Amino acid sequence: GNSVTQMEGPVTLSEEAFLTINCTYTATGYPSLFWYVQYPGEGLQLLLKATKADDKGSNKGFEATYRKETTSFHLEKGSVQVSDSAVYFCALTRSRQFYFGTGTSLTVIP
Amino acid sequence: DGGITQSPKYLFRKEGQNVTLSCEQNLNHDAMYWYRQDPGQGLRLIYYSQIVNDFQKGDIAEGYSVSREKKESFPLTVTSAQKNPTAFYLCASSAPPTGWHQPQHFGDGTRLSIL
Repeated sequence: GNSVTQMEGPVTLSEEAFLTINCTYTATGYPSLFWYVQYPGEGLQLLLKATKADDKGSNKGFEATYRKETTSFHLEKGSVQVSDSAVYFCALTRSRQFYFGTGTSLTVIP
Repeated sequence: DGGITQSPKYLFRKEGQNVTLSCEQNLNHDAMYWYRQDPGQGLRLIYYSQIVNDFQKGDIAEGYSVSREKKESFPLTVTSAQKNPTAFYLCASSAPPTGWHQPQHFGDGTRLSIL
């Protein structure tokens, strides 16, 4: 079946630190992959996406590369800010269905 | 700007009462979804609809009902049969069938609590 596994949180980093949140997936065929961000009390916002192998999605300094050989889509940012504190969800879509990871909470301290 | 509007933002339910959460979108999307999110948890799919007048159960449909009479609207009713309704409810929509690799767009959610 299709599923997404992402790194357990919570993650706490100092401002300007490097961020990696791991995400691996299981899927038949060729899914599209997404990262969403959720700020407290709000819905999910699309952060970035990749629709085929070796695609790199990027937005607001965040990046993730679709690695088919390792079935991974890890989220990275070179220098996090306090405003990046949120919950991050990895997701995939395949066969008209969407599958989400359990979310990783990030707190960035000044 | 196009988007998804959920209302109300906060809702309180009394014992034995049914309540309805509103979800409206002006993105011209065919597919719409309802998710439940419990504190510190991921999203669980309640119901989804790929086209008007048709909908399917998700993973946790018991105690919930939906309708899809218009493309723009996908209301969710939390019935008295749902014994633990306290949660954050998220509505989402996605592009037409030709765009199944497109992402979902989400509303800002409704927080439901028991009185």
